[in-house]
Amino acid sequence: GAVVSQHPSWVICKSGTSVKIECRSLDFQATTMFWYRQFPKQSLMLMATSNEGSKATYEQGVEKDKFLINHASLTLSTLTVTSAHPEDSSFYICSARRQGQSNQPQHFGDGTRLSIL
Amino acid sequence: KQEVTQIPAALSVPEGENLVLNCSFTDSAIYNLQWFRQDPGKGLTSLLLIQSSQREQTSGRLNASLDKSSGRSTLYIAASQPGDSATYLCAVRSNDYKLSFGAGTTVTVRA
Repeated sequence: GAVVSQHPSWVICKSGTSVKIECRSLDFQATTMFWYRQFPKQSLMLMATSNEGSKATYEQGVEKDKFLINHASLTLSTLTVTSAHPEDSSFYICSARRQGQSNQPQHFGDGTRLSIL
Repeated sequence: KQEVTQIPAALSVPEGENLVLNCSFTDSAIYNLQWFRQDPGKGLTSLLLIQSSQREQTSGRLNASLDKSSGRSTLYIAASQPGDSATYLCAVRSNDYKLSFGAGTTVTVRA
């Protein structure tokens, strides 16, 4: 079964709205979670690395104030898209790595499709 | 910066044929390489993980090889079935623990 839960799976909202996406590790602790963005027929692009109890590390070109990341516990990271606009419409996927198992596969959520009208 | 390329971008085969999917990467200093399957509108399912010290991994009809020095990995799927239709992604984990993904190969297996 799924080991990483992502919610919601689909969001449609008006331009200017802020949208929060949750990523939960279900049966393990994850000190590190990753947030990716995927455009149609393109690869996943890493947006940021979420670290429990500290600030997220953003990739070059990703606006920190636009994509707010909070990793307040060992099982939950959230991504908030602030004042979303149509160009933010995309497929967002999170992944988590089991604490203390850096050589094991990352587990991915089912993704959130965000559509901004 | 690690660049990952997957060829071909799309592949259509009749049922029963073997599939060969290619992945190449520019920086051979990798930690491991992972193959994923992605169904339309869905997240990623991990298929195989090859550590940098390994040459291949097998799981059922799937076999993945790794030639780190030449920057290549190949995923073989034997006796393909219509249920194998999906997009297959290759991801390389560099020593800074980040995953770099290829754009994927979209496979269609015709019944």
